Amino acid sequence: QKEVEQDPGPLSVPEGAIVSLNCTYSNSAFQYFMWYRQYSRKGPELLMYTYSSGNKEDGRFTAQVDKSSKYISLFIRDSQPSDSATYLCAMSGGSNYKLTFGKGTLLTVNP
Amino acid sequence: SAVISQKPSRDICQRGTSLTIQCQVDSQVTMMFWYRQQPGQSLTLIATANQGSEATYESGFVIDKFPISRPNLTFSTLTVSNLSPEDSSIYLCSVDAGGRVEQFFGPGTRLTVL
Repeated sequence: QKEVEQDPGPLSVPEGAIVSLNCTYSNSAFQYFMWYRQYSRKGPELLMYTYSSGNKEDGRFTAQVDKSSKYISLFIRDSQPSDSATYLCAMSGGSNYKLTFGKGTLLTVNP
Repeated sequence: SAVISQKPSRDICQRGTSLTIQCQVDSQVTMMFWYRQQPGQSLTLIATANQGSEATYESGFVIDKFPISRPNLTFSTLTVSNLSPEDSSIYLCSVDAGGRVEQFFGPGTRLTVL
């Protein structure tokens, strides 16, 4: 079992839809959870950062962490064509700064 | 967040040669990281580079194949040696966020080995 599992998609939605992206993990030592957005031929860009369980909201983006289920989610409300990108989840236990990434989900928002 | 640049942005190399990738940051950072991103695969950490000490390599990556330099707090290089087509990938550097866990990434170097 891989440490972090992420459905690679692709996921295609109409503009304005609510998008749900998810990752599961197996390492209970993970305490820090991140979502990165990566446009084609660009480096990953940090979107959201969450410590331990709970929700965090930033504009149209909401990150959720459920440590009891080892499950994290990123919700995008009112999705826009500019949200079309690959979304990567990443996690860390914190002690050595090492990040473990999912494979990424390719999202396309159609106008 | 730090502004990170990488050179070259892309290259096509012949089998058996080497490529050195440069990573420049606009501010001093403690930790710099080098990743490989292969098609359909997770971003994979190659090594962590701290200034003034030897790089720390992850399982499956060795110094002879991926020598790293970190001469100061704003610059690092990764060399991919003795290239084979299996080394075709995107190579990314990242930096720590001032002691926090999240990292900021450069734009990547796309390497194709013929």
